[in-house]
Amino acid sequence: SQTIHQWPATLVQPVGSPLSLECTVEGTSNPNLYWYRQAAGRGLQLLFYSVGIGQISSEVPQNLSASRPQDRQFILSSKKLLLSDSGFYLCAWSNGRVGGYTFGSGTRLTVV
Amino acid sequence: AQKVTQAQTEISVVEKEDVTLDCVYETRDTTYYLFWYKQPPSGELVFLIRRNSFDEQNEISGRYSWNFQKSTSSFNFTITASQVVDSAVYFCALSFTGGGNKLTFGTGTQLKVEL
Repeated sequence: SQTIHQWPATLVQPVGSPLSLECTVEGTSNPNLYWYRQAAGRGLQLLFYSVGIGQISSEVPQNLSASRPQDRQFILSSKKLLLSDSGFYLCAWSNGRVGGYTFGSGTRLTVV
Repeated sequence: AQKVTQAQTEISVVEKEDVTLDCVYETRDTTYYLFWYKQPPSGELVFLIRRNSFDEQNEISGRYSWNFQKSTSSFNFTITASQVVDSAVYFCALSFTGGGNKLTFGTGTQLKVEL
């Protein structure tokens, strides 16, 4: 069966520090991968998506970047965190056909 | 462009009341999919339902029911005889074929069910 792993679950980082959040998928190949962010009290905003290795599409210009070094690995990064980067980050995958999305358990990032 | 509107920011009901969560969407695609997700305080997104644009049949699953009306671009969600465990944020979402099959979410409705 397919599973999605996202870590860490919670992270507190100082302003200006780097960030790396990792998401891996098991049990499937060539998934579409997504990073969403949920600011406090708000909806889910799509940050990046990838339809294949090395293919990254950015939805919102920001302080973050994403990479897909392997088929089932999706990484969200920042060189220098801002206070506004705080939020709940969710990774998700789909099988490329509309209708099946699976979300990870999320990372709660607090930038202090 | 795709857009999902959930006008109800927060709803409070007393246990056993019925409650309807509204969802209105905008899309120019003829083939699209609509979803409802539940987000409990733990943060994880729990999938509730998926409906494609060609299937306007209403669906019932236990205490949950969904009313899809293409004429008004709405996909409303009703919980019958609400329970405290139903307290959560509920998101309506829209996806379409192509463009990475991105999922566009509404801003969510916070449902509080009190004793």
